[in-house]
Amino acid sequence: DAGVIQSPRHEVTEMGQEVTLRCKPISGHDYLFWYRQTMMRGLELLIYFNNNVPIDDSGMPEDRFSAKMPNASFSTLKIQPSEPRDSAVYFCASSLLQGYGYTFGSGTRLTVV
Amino acid sequence: DQQVKQNSPSLSVQEGRISILNCDYTNSMFDYFLWYKKYPAEGPTFLISISSIKDKNEDGRFTVFLNKSAKHLSLHIVPSQPGDSAVYFCAASVGSAGGTSYGKLTFGQGTILTVHP
Repeated sequence: DAGVIQSPRHEVTEMGQEVTLRCKPISGHDYLFWYRQTMMRGLELLIYFNNNVPIDDSGMPEDRFSAKMPNASFSTLKIQPSEPRDSAVYFCASSLLQGYGYTFGSGTRLTVV
Repeated sequence: DQQVKQNSPSLSVQEGRISILNCDYTNSMFDYFLWYKKYPAEGPTFLISISSIKDKNEDGRFTVFLNKSAKHLSLHIVPSQPGDSAVYFCAASVGSAGGTSYGKLTFGQGTILTVHP
């Protein structure tokens, strides 16, 4: 299995632009999670899906952030408009069982200038 | 509100010695705890876990201790090796009674471990 695949690995964009991060979970995993890593707060959960349905989006920082999972093999996290404070590493993870360990992707390092 | 806290941003240890990484939590509903290890430019990978019905779990050089009354867990690495140098994240989850909290992992800030040869 190729694991959780995220793209792009790096993204540099100008403030105000739209940014779309992509994730392909492990086949058969019913849960998909989006996390953001910062120095101050570590890994923060933004949103998670179960069987393509958003379950908890309480971690989404603002309305500028949105996430979709149109099918079991693809999810996107969109930021529109982007701001410099959104600069962070964004991780996608998937799991078969709830709460018993995830498989993470390699992350997308986002820089907003 | 940081429900899982790792108060030591970094730890430096000599090869062969013991590394002890600490984690505190505030949510008494947490009943499953995990440690993840992260190398630069990679995603975190699962290392070891413990259920709240236990106070110790061991896997090779790695042992996790849980003190429920103190809401504290620790990861012991013995002996430490240079390849253990990484960021270590503590994480916790709530059981099925947790409603929408069920299943999601809450992570700490991470501790950077450096093992010197």
